[in-house]
Amino acid sequence: AAGVIQSPRHLIKEKRETATLKCYPIPRHDTVYWYQQGPGQDPQFLISFYEKMQSDKGSIPDRFSAQQFSDYHSELNMSSLELGDSALYFCASSSLSGITDTQYFGPGTRLTVL
Amino acid sequence: DAKTTQPTSMDCAEGRAANLPCNHSTISGNEYVYWYRQIHSQGPQYIIHGLKNNETNEMASLIITEDRKSSTLILPHATLRDTAVYYCIVSEDSSYKLIFGSGTRLLVRP
Repeated sequence: AAGVIQSPRHLIKEKRETATLKCYPIPRHDTVYWYQQGPGQDPQFLISFYEKMQSDKGSIPDRFSAQQFSDYHSELNMSSLELGDSALYFCASSSLSGITDTQYFGPGTRLTVL
Repeated sequence: DAKTTQPTSMDCAEGRAANLPCNHSTISGNEYVYWYRQIHSQGPQYIIHGLKNNETNEMASLIITEDRKSSTLILPHATLRDTAVYYCIVSEDSSYKLIFGSGTRLLVRP
C-alpha cells in the first residue's frame, strides 16, 4: 500500500540558512501533520493542515512556516536555521472524510544544522 | 503534557507474549487509546486503537479496563523486530495532534 513520502530524507544546512521539507500524503488523505523529534526526545507536534487550511498549531517556532497545496502535499519552510533545529521531522497524514482517520507517518527527514 | 503513564522499559523473550501497560486515569468518555511504536528513528508506526471494547488486529491486541483508566497492549509472540519504543496516546480523535509521552522501550531478547 502507498505510504507517506517525505523528501529529502537527509538534509545538511549551515546556521542561518533556509530549508524546505516536503511531504506527500497517502492518496486520498486530506490532512497533514508535522512533528519534530530532537535527539533522544519524543516526537512533538508542530502544525497540521486540513483541506489546505491550518487546523492546529503546536510548538512551532516563528521562523518556521508551512502550507498545504491543492494536491494535498505539504511543505515545511524553515528559515534562519539554528543548531537546535537539528532533528528528525516527520510528516503524517490521515483522511477526515474517509473510513478511518488514523494518522500514518512517513519515514522522516533528518535535518542536520552545522 | 501527555495524559498517559508507561514503564520506561521492559523486556521479554523472543516467542513469548509482551504485555505493555499504560495508565490513563484522566481519560474522558470520548477519548480513544492509541498505540504507536517507533523502531530506531523510523517514523512512528500505528498499531491499534480502541475506545471501550477490547480490540485485536494482525499486529496486537488491546485490552482496556472497564473503568477505562488503564490498558494493556499485547504482542502475542514477540520477535526481535518488535524491539522498539511503544507509545500509548490518549486522544479524542486521531485527527487531532498526537501528544507523545516518553513511551516504553521494549527489548525482545533472543
